[in-house]
Amino acid sequence: EDKVVQSPLSLVVHEGDTVTLNCSYEVTNFRSLLWYKQEKKAPTFLFMLTSSGIEKKSGRLSSILDKKELSSILNITATQTGDSAIYLCAEASNFGNEKLTFGTGTRLTIIP
Amino acid sequence: EAGVTQFPSHSVIEKGQTVTLRCDPISGHDNLYWYRRVMGKEIKFLLHFVKESKQDESGMPNNRFLAERTGGTYSTLKVQPAELEDSGVYFCASSQDRVSGRPREQFFGPGTRLTVL
Repeated sequence: EDKVVQSPLSLVVHEGDTVTLNCSYEVTNFRSLLWYKQEKKAPTFLFMLTSSGIEKKSGRLSSILDKKELSSILNITATQTGDSAIYLCAEASNFGNEKLTFGTGTRLTIIP
Repeated sequence: EAGVTQFPSHSVIEKGQTVTLRCDPISGHDNLYWYRRVMGKEIKFLLHFVKESKQDESGMPNNRFLAERTGGTYSTLKVQPAELEDSGVYFCASSQDRVSGRPREQFFGPGTRLTVL
């Protein structure tokens, strides 16, 4: 069975710090890895990664995939209180659909 | 563009009762997914529709759960009869068709929190 593991489970940092969130996966027929941010309700899409070594960037957030190590990281620089959320990592395999296998998430808290 | 919407946002029912959850995907999205998060666990896949057809229902826990997507637009998920362990947050997501074989990102709704007493 496919498995996604995120670490740490929880992280508390001060505003302005840089954080790195980790995601590792054990899957067959890997297609893509996705990152979502969940604040109160709907998980909000951040990135989809399909190719190893190519960084995706959006403002202060960036992410990269390492297919050799079966892992991905999500970096957030100059954190702000609005970055406080649960960050979810999910893998989409290729079985004719893109059903997602999620990790349990990393709860990030930014202290002013 | 309106996002994925779900109704209701919260439902509290007693064990043995029936509940129907509704999901309206983003207009034009043929793929519709149902997921569930039970307390303390990760979000888990339930099933996947392509238009009105069930592509994969391998994640459905048992036959008390029935999902439909008549006409290929909105979808309903009925739980009958509900049990205590069905409590959790039920998410719906939608996505466009693949382009050149590349997977497409899924956009999630806010979820329906179901509490079974």
